[in-house]
Amino acid sequence: DVKVTQSSRYLVKRTGEKVFLECVQDMDHENMFWYRQDPGLGLRLIYFSYDVKMKEKGDIPEGYSVSREKKERFSLILESASTNQTSMYLCASSYLSGQPTSAHGYTFGSGTRLTVV
Amino acid sequence: KQEVTQIPAALSVPEGENLVLNCSFTDSAIYNLQWFRQDPGKGLTSLLLIQSSQREQTSGRLNASLDKSSGRSTLYIAASQPGDSATYLCAVLPGAQKLVFGQGTRLTINP
Repeated sequence: DVKVTQSSRYLVKRTGEKVFLECVQDMDHENMFWYRQDPGLGLRLIYFSYDVKMKEKGDIPEGYSVSREKKERFSLILESASTNQTSMYLCASSYLSGQPTSAHGYTFGSGTRLTVV
Repeated sequence: KQEVTQIPAALSVPEGENLVLNCSFTDSAIYNLQWFRQDPGKGLTSLLLIQSSQREQTSGRLNASLDKSSGRSTLYIAASQPGDSATYLCAVLPGAQKLVFGQGTRLTINP
């Protein structure tokens, strides 16, 4: 089974800190994604990457950056954490396109609950 | 732009009932449709995936159907149990590699 592992379940950070959220997948997926989930707003895509060192903005990239130095690892960076970034962060991965993606879909990690105080 | 709608937003039923969750989408050009389950404070667990060429998929007490022409999918849960209580999310994969999610149905099974 594909596993997507997020390094922390819970994080508490102070306003202004630089925060790193780490995600690792073990199935050689090309695509990796970062979402945030807030009550009433659903899942919103922050950034995604379809290859090493490649990244594309999602729907809400402001205040975030990402890094993908290795295929299996995708990091989300909050450059200067703010209280409005308190949220559940979810990482996901999938094959690039075509039949593998069609047949296997997305796999999600268990989430990181980030609180910024 | 693809939009996914799930109705109802919340559902509460007694244990043992069979139930149906609904999902509709606006553009029939999809690679697949996935149903996910999310427990409070947890990540998403994939339940069933239906490829665009398929009509339904089954796993245990769960059955998901897909009708692309009408832009609808249903998730059928047989003989519901309290452990089925969770939020169920429907998502479609259009050609752009990015899933489009519905807002979810929060299901409560009462003992």
